[in-house]
Amino acid sequence: DIQMTQSPSSLSTSVGDRVTITCRASQSISRYLNWYQQKPGKAPKLLIYAASNLQSGVPSRFSGSGSGTDFTLTITSLQPEDFATYYCQQSYSSRTFGQGTKVEIK
Amino acid sequence: EVQLVESGGGLVQPGGSLRLSCAASGFTFNIYEMNWVRQAPGKGLEWVSYISTSGSTVLYTDSVKGRFTISRDNAKNSLYLQMNSLRAEDTAVYYCARDYRSQEFGTRIDYWGQGALVTVSS
Repeated sequence: DIQMTQSPSSLSTSVGDRVTITCRASQSISRYLNWYQQKPGKAPKLLIYAASNLQSGVPSRFSGSGSGTDFTLTITSLQPEDFATYYCQQSYSSRTFGQGTKVEIK
Repeated sequence: EVQLVESGGGLVQPGGSLRLSCAASGFTFNIYEMNWVRQAPGKGLEWVSYISTSGSTVLYTDSVKGRFTISRDNAKNSLYLQMNSLRAEDTAVYYCARDYRSQEFGTRIDYWGQGALVTVSS
């Protein structure tokens, strides 16, 4: 089974900051990597698919990059509504989520 | 508008059974692959099970193999998860989730239900 490891597990940051979250796969998954945002009490929301493709309706301050085993989600100029938990998910072989990264207000 | 509405959650004793249902609307159900994803209280997302459009291919995470069964009824636009031999560690919100597959980009989950809470406790 493919394991997904995110880092950091949590981070404290401020509005306007640039945030980078990394996701590492236990084996190569090509570019079959998706990113989701989840707010408390809500279902997750798709942000990025296939490593770097922005889902329709998602602000352009969100971007993704990477291939193989190493991937990043970047949020430029963090907005108040971006404080949430972010998950990566591989779809190369079955499906696996990372453990999540909680982005908190400093 | 795409809608996925789960039902059937509740409190069940360890060793018991429960069947979750997901009613789909707003899209052509029989051309989409589907999943169940769960989230234990205060924990992260865990993919549980997948089913192909026809139901001929199913996948499970290791911890539920032999205990859970995913199925679908395309005539009723419905997805199901039969959960047997339930354990305390199965306590979670269970989400019904639609896969969107493209040849170029693989699959991603593009729509989620609101979730159904399953509590396994004596």
